[in-house]
Amino acid sequence: GAVVSQHPSRVICKSGTSVKIECRSLDFQATTMFWYRQFPKQSLMLMATSNEGSKATYEQGVEKDKFLINHASLTLSTLTVTSAHPEDSSFYICSAKGQEIESPLHFGNGTRLTVT
Amino acid sequence: GENVEQHPSTLSVQEGDSAVIKCTYSDSASNYFPWYKQELGKRPQLIIDIRSNVGEKKDQRIAVTLNKTAKHFSLHITETQPEDSAVYFCAARLKAAGNKLTFGGGTRVLVKP
Repeated sequence: GAVVSQHPSRVICKSGTSVKIECRSLDFQATTMFWYRQFPKQSLMLMATSNEGSKATYEQGVEKDKFLINHASLTLSTLTVTSAHPEDSSFYICSAKGQEIESPLHFGNGTRLTVT
Repeated sequence: GENVEQHPSTLSVQEGDSAVIKCTYSDSASNYFPWYKQELGKRPQLIIDIRSNVGEKKDQRIAVTLNKTAKHFSLHITETQPEDSAVYFCAARLKAAGNKLTFGGGTRVLVKP
């Protein structure tokens, strides 16, 4: 089946630094990737939709200058958390959708970010 | 936009019994409804999905039903096993909203041996 690889799986960083998370579709081309954030025992909250070759579309309340998204190719999207603060600590998950209209969504393994 | 409500938030069942999780959605134009299973600290895994032109779909011990008129869909797990213990999320996709998935709040299922 379709595989989405997300890296790193865990990262600890100091407050004020930036962290980049990569999301790759390994065996299919993903025209659209989605970035979610999940707090403990809560649902997945969509942060932004990333389309290859164009600017990401951010959900209401998500700061685009803080969460930089780049979708440079059909197999790679990156999320950079800039000037991270402890409140940014969370589980970030990417997902990717194939090019066909009816193709399902496949999730990466997630990245647990801890900001100290 | 789309809004998805999921109930119950927690569900405890005895091994071998059935588990049912229900979701309602707000936008009648939604056309795709997947269910995901998420184990602690892991990625959500697609377990079954249904499209708006189908009323029911079954895959071994798992089934999903869709009532478009009432705008609700349900997940049924029969003969539950301890490995079914996880958090289950329903979702709805609104094509007009760029195919974004809106997730329900999740149901924590515990299957007691």
